[in-house]
Amino acid sequence: EAQVTQNPRYLITVTGKKLTVTCSQNMNHEYMSWYRQDPGLGLRQIYYSMNVEVTDKGDVPEGYKVSRKEKRNFPLILESPSPNQTSLYFCASSSDRAGANVLTFGAGSRLTVL
Amino acid sequence: AQSVTQLGSHVSVSEGALVLLRCNYSSSVPPYLFWYVQYPNQGLQLLLKYTTGATLVKGINGFEAEFKKSETSFHLTKPSAHMSDAAEYFCAVRAFSGGYNKLIFGAGTRLAVHP
Repeated sequence: EAQVTQNPRYLITVTGKKLTVTCSQNMNHEYMSWYRQDPGLGLRQIYYSMNVEVTDKGDVPEGYKVSRKEKRNFPLILESPSPNQTSLYFCASSSDRAGANVLTFGAGSRLTVL
Repeated sequence: AQSVTQLGSHVSVSEGALVLLRCNYSSSVPPYLFWYVQYPNQGLQLLLKYTTGATLVKGINGFEAEFKKSETSFHLTKPSAHMSDAAEYFCAVRAFSGGYNKLIFGAGTRLAVHP
């Protein structure tokens, strides 16, 4: 089944404790992206990647890092999480070589930072 | 710059009633427009999209949307709501920025369907 898989789905952590949210897709998509969803704000892009070793900032990149060492994986790293990073996170991918068009989303990762 | 405004963060309808979710966009170029749906505890999935051509677009689960350039609107409709339609709906416009395409999402409209 074609899908985007995120882990963990739920996580509670404390301020400053590094964490990684993994994202993997099995559709051979070149474009991948991370979004955060907050009430009343919709989805905002954190980082995106057009291909292996090519990543760039989205609209809200502060406090996050990403890497794209393999085509299928695009982990989101929070080096020192803070409470304002409490949110619902989505990874998405697209086959469009020009970037986002029809996106396939993961099921989401709900993060709480205490 | 492209942007999307969804009118009404919450919409409530009776089962069998018309569903109308409003979306207005701003775009300096001919827009690509999308509606995505998010069911509880799931990721977003594509309902329908408009690129070029026919302005009335049909999607999954009986939904459709009409692109109206003069009104800069892309409202989502369904003639008869079903309990399973309860979800959050996001309108999006494709923007070209920094050499690549990205999607700009609206704030979302949560649809409640009551018996």
